[in-house]
Amino acid sequence: GENVEQHPSTLSVQEGDSAVIKCTYSDSASNYFPWYKQELGKGPQLIIDIRSNVGEKKDQRIAVTLNKTAKHFSLHITETQPEDSAVYFCAAKLQYNQGGKLIFGQGTELSVKP
Amino acid sequence: DTAVSQTPKYLVTQMGNDKSIKCEQNLGHDTMYWYKQDSKKFLKIMFSYNNKELIINETVPNRFSPKSPDKAHLNLHINSLELGDSAVYFCASSQGHGYTFGSGTRLTVV
Repeated sequence: GENVEQHPSTLSVQEGDSAVIKCTYSDSASNYFPWYKQELGKGPQLIIDIRSNVGEKKDQRIAVTLNKTAKHFSLHITETQPEDSAVYFCAAKLQYNQGGKLIFGQGTELSVKP
Repeated sequence: DTAVSQTPKYLVTQMGNDKSIKCEQNLGHDTMYWYKQDSKKFLKIMFSYNNKELIINETVPNRFSPKSPDKAHLNLHINSLELGDSAVYFCASSQGHGYTFGSGTRLTVV
């Protein structure tokens, strides 16, 4: 089955710096890759996603890149702010996935220091 | 209006008890899920329902029984609770790709 590896598990940056979180997936049939942000005591919230027919997508300070050949995808956050501090999860979904199952990475705890 | 709402938010109970968690979504989505988040924050799917029909059951013990009375509701009943069941349980719904998660139910078994 699909397996998603996420690195690093923790990341600490200074306010204003960039943060990069990387994920790899195992099944080349995966075609949808969302990123979720989970704040303390809350459920994960979708922040950006990318489909396999696109190499890069940007939304203000966040961007996601996808390398299908290497089966890598990454989240880039620029000009980080303290409110970006949270746990971030990547995920992957198989193209022919009945039931819509998302396989999540292990999560990255991002800390942005003012 | 909360899109995906779960109740209760916190649940503390003794080993051996039976408990239920309720979930409702007002997004009109066809698919609903239960995920378990362990102490290391790892999110793992338990069940998926599409229009009230069970689609995915990820080798969850029989003590866990989901019930979907209609496509807007997916409840989770747990029998004979064990210490290892302590976790945060998230309900989610989707129509197509993106999930909307509820705020979670923190279950503590003592």
